Amino acid sequence: AQSVTQLGSHVSVSEGALVLLRCNYSSSVPPYLFWYVQYPNQGLQLLLKYTTGATLVKGINGFEAEFKKSETSFHLTKPSAHMSDAAEYFCAVSDQRGGGNKLTFGTGTQLKVEL
Amino acid sequence: DAGVIQSPRHEVTEMGQEVTLRCKPISGHNSLFWYRQTMMRGLELLIYFNNNVPIDDSGMPEDRFSAKMPNASFSTLKIQPSEPRDSAVYFCASSLAHSITDTQYFGPGTRLTVL
Repeated sequence: AQSVTQLGSHVSVSEGALVLLRCNYSSSVPPYLFWYVQYPNQGLQLLLKYTTGATLVKGINGFEAEFKKSETSFHLTKPSAHMSDAAEYFCAVSDQRGGGNKLTFGTGTQLKVEL
Repeated sequence: DAGVIQSPRHEVTEMGQEVTLRCKPISGHNSLFWYRQTMMRGLELLIYFNNNVPIDDSGMPEDRFSAKMPNASFSTLKIQPSEPRDSAVYFCASSLAHSITDTQYFGPGTRLTVL
């Protein structure tokens, strides 16, 4: 079965600093990987996804992630953090069994941005 | 366009009572997902439907939980009888189709408190 592990349940950065949120996956088949963001009291919103093709994926709000098969990683980055980036971030992998789009989520990383 | 609509947004009930959560997917979307989010277990998929048919209900915790999708624009998640451990935020999500690459769009969630 596919799974994802997010290292660090809480990450704190200064405004303007690099954001790096880590995600490692486990999959017996080529994975489809996703990053979602959840703002307080809201549902999840897709940031970006990797399916096939280019391994560097660009998403909304200046975020990007790189699929590295050799490291089984899909880390999320943003060059310069903004206060509005404070939220919880979830990495997810798509379960390809049955041809559907069932997602398995990581435990989430809470990002705090400080002045 | 309206996103995924969930009602109620907040529900407080007493142990033993029946609880019904409602979801209206995005118009034209053919897949619908119910998730539960708790601090202890994170985000868990409970059940998902494709074209109103339940495809995978392996995440439904026990017989007290049931879900229906009588038509393409409405789904319910029912808990009977409810227990304090059912307290969580329940999310509904929908996607255009059943393809592995289809994005899931989340509703704002229903915060359930069982006293």
